[in-house]
Amino acid sequence: DAGITQSPRHKVTETGTPVTLRCHQTENHRYMYWYRQDPGHGLRLIHYSYGVKDTDKGEVSDGYSVSRSKTEDFLLTLESATSSQTSVYFCAISRRRETNEKLFFGSGTQLSVL
Amino acid sequence: AQTVTQSQPEMSVQEAETVTLSCTYDTSESNYYLFWYKQPPSRQMILVIRQEAYKQQNATENRFSVNFQKAAKSFSLKISDSQLGDTAMYFCAFMKKDNYGQNFVFGPGTRLSVLP
Repeated sequence: DAGITQSPRHKVTETGTPVTLRCHQTENHRYMYWYRQDPGHGLRLIHYSYGVKDTDKGEVSDGYSVSRSKTEDFLLTLESATSSQTSVYFCAISRRRETNEKLFFGSGTQLSVL
Repeated sequence: AQTVTQSQPEMSVQEAETVTLSCTYDTSESNYYLFWYKQPPSRQMILVIRQEAYKQQNATENRFSVNFQKAAKSFSLKISDSQLGDTAMYFCAFMKKDNYGQNFVFGPGTRLSVLP
């Protein structure tokens, strides 16, 4: 299994509070991604990174920011959490953009915003 | 933008039987890849099988095979000799190539239950 660690595994927070989720990889992969998983929607891309300090928005980026100061760490921040951000968050990595590259996923973070 | 549709929210199959999960997608790209991911109750996302669009031959991985119809933009997954451990959510995914890395698009998923 790819070395991807997401922390925390579970979190409960209150509306309006800031929340930071961490993704740490030991694979030295260039590309990192944050997805959210909701019933009926599958996985939707929030943000992704194609290198240190290089990030871009995904399909559902509103209300989220990311940072990548080191190859191994990709942080997802909810500046002011809302109930609509209750979801399971997955980090994923991939090695390169060349042919048939697949995603390796972390174990997910269950976030509940009350 | 690409979209992926899985029209079967839930399915069930008897152990040892065969089941087919449907997936259709919409794209104007000619060079892309398709994947099936499995998510068991543990929540872990596991790659089941992948297909390269430029290859006409359908991919096969042990009991898992696909029926890739490029013109129809269809990518179904067949599971033969179903096992209890196949119980999971199954996601179809599309990947295009762009200048800055992959762009995966996932379908909404099909929940498969294998019955003893």
